[in-house]
Amino acid sequence: NAGVTQTPKFQVLKTGQSMTLQCAQDMNHEYMSWYRQDPGMGLRLIHYSVGAGITDQGEVPNGYNVSRSTTEDFPLRLLSAAPSQTSVYFCASSYDRDRGTYNAEAFFGQGTRLTVV
Amino acid sequence: AQSVSQHNHHVILSEAASLELGCNYSYGGTVNLFWYVQYPGQHLQLLLKYFSGDPLVKGIKGFEAEFIKSKFSFNLRKPSVQWSDTAEYFCAVKFLRDNYGQNFVFGPGTRLSVLP
Repeated sequence: NAGVTQTPKFQVLKTGQSMTLQCAQDMNHEYMSWYRQDPGMGLRLIHYSVGAGITDQGEVPNGYNVSRSTTEDFPLRLLSAAPSQTSVYFCASSYDRDRGTYNAEAFFGQGTRLTVV
Repeated sequence: AQSVSQHNHHVILSEAASLELGCNYSYGGTVNLFWYVQYPGQHLQLLLKYFSGDPLVKGIKGFEAEFIKSKFSFNLRKPSVQWSDTAEYFCAVKFLRDNYGQNFVFGPGTRLSVLP
């Protein structure tokens, strides 16, 4: 049971480049989400998914794209990187429907530190 | 919009001092409440959580928190801090609309520095 696995841990991009941050969980969680962490602002929700095939926007979705083709995977795509996207990105998962309760904590990946130059 | 506030941006304490970090949220409905800790260079780890029942919850490493519904607060406490408690602490609230809703709203974080 590995929990939530994010790759890569570090990435440097040039402005305009695209890339995909990978996230996978092995806890049978329906809900997965992506946050970005910036100093003094806590974590802000980018996109989330309540199950395979279903995604929705969070607080700061612009410049990012997501898809959820399987329960386990929830990749985040940067379409055309900008310096404002320099941040630390965390993937999280929660909520196992089989447990029969909506009360659930979030489990976080190790984070991806992204720098856009 | 729902929001979560934390009272202090940066707290500096000496070892053995007592700690209380404040957290307030804006929503009056059903919530799940959490405190997460982030040690330097690491990911977020759960300290404690409140779903229902006894409003005083105990977590790992000697931390506890008290939910006061009338004040929309969930303050974190520790009687005696250690140097190893140096970290950033995040209050997080999950606002349960219609008994669902798994979106977390995080506070801005409080950086705790414990001096040896």
